[in-house]
Amino acid sequence: GDSVTQMEGPVTLSEEAFLTINCTYTATGYPSLFWYVQYPGEGLQLLLKATKADDKGSNKGFEATYRKETTSFHLEKGSVQVSDSAVYFCALTPNQAGTALIFGKGTTLSVSS
Amino acid sequence: DAGVIQSPRHEVTEMGQEVTLRCKPISGHNSLFWYRQTMMRGLELLIYFNNNVPIDDSGMPEDRFSAKMPNASFSTLKIQPSEPRDSAVYFCASTLSSGTGSRGTGELFFGEGSRLTVL
Repeated sequence: GDSVTQMEGPVTLSEEAFLTINCTYTATGYPSLFWYVQYPGEGLQLLLKATKADDKGSNKGFEATYRKETTSFHLEKGSVQVSDSAVYFCALTPNQAGTALIFGKGTTLSVSS
Repeated sequence: DAGVIQSPRHEVTEMGQEVTLRCKPISGHNSLFWYRQTMMRGLELLIYFNNNVPIDDSGMPEDRFSAKMPNASFSTLKIQPSEPRDSAVYFCASTLSSGTGSRGTGELFFGEGSRLTVL
């Protein structure tokens, strides 16, 4: 079945460092891809999304490009801040009716000053 | 605007007791999802509803779990009897979907979760 695989964390960075969190997916057809973020004690919230190949989603300095040839949707940020410390989830929704979002296991990011 | 509202935020109970978690989705949303989050298994979809009708309950772990959505503004997830391995954070999420699927914009709006501890 469809699935999402994320790099395991935790990822620990210093402020202003470059961030990459890898995400690959397995899906039939053409899914839509998402990154969600969960701050401590809160629910998940949408960070960015891409609905077709070569689309780039971006928000709050984060970017991810839908790469169909490598079935990837890696999350990047050029300069992280302490406030970016959170758990990041890659997710997909299959291109068919009657299905829900499928999430990866999440990657914990910890940024220190 | 009010987001997805879940209650209780925290529940501590003893093994064998019945647990009921509640969710009020965002007004106007027609799809509702229950997820369970644990360190070991991550975020798992338990069940989801579209227009108050259960569409996929294949993620419900066993018969001890049941979920209802009697109207568009309320859903419950019940565990009876509860066991220690049910300890987790349970999230409710809602969205506005098109047709019979959950695609819509793909953006799910999550509540803050109900943290369940079964002793």
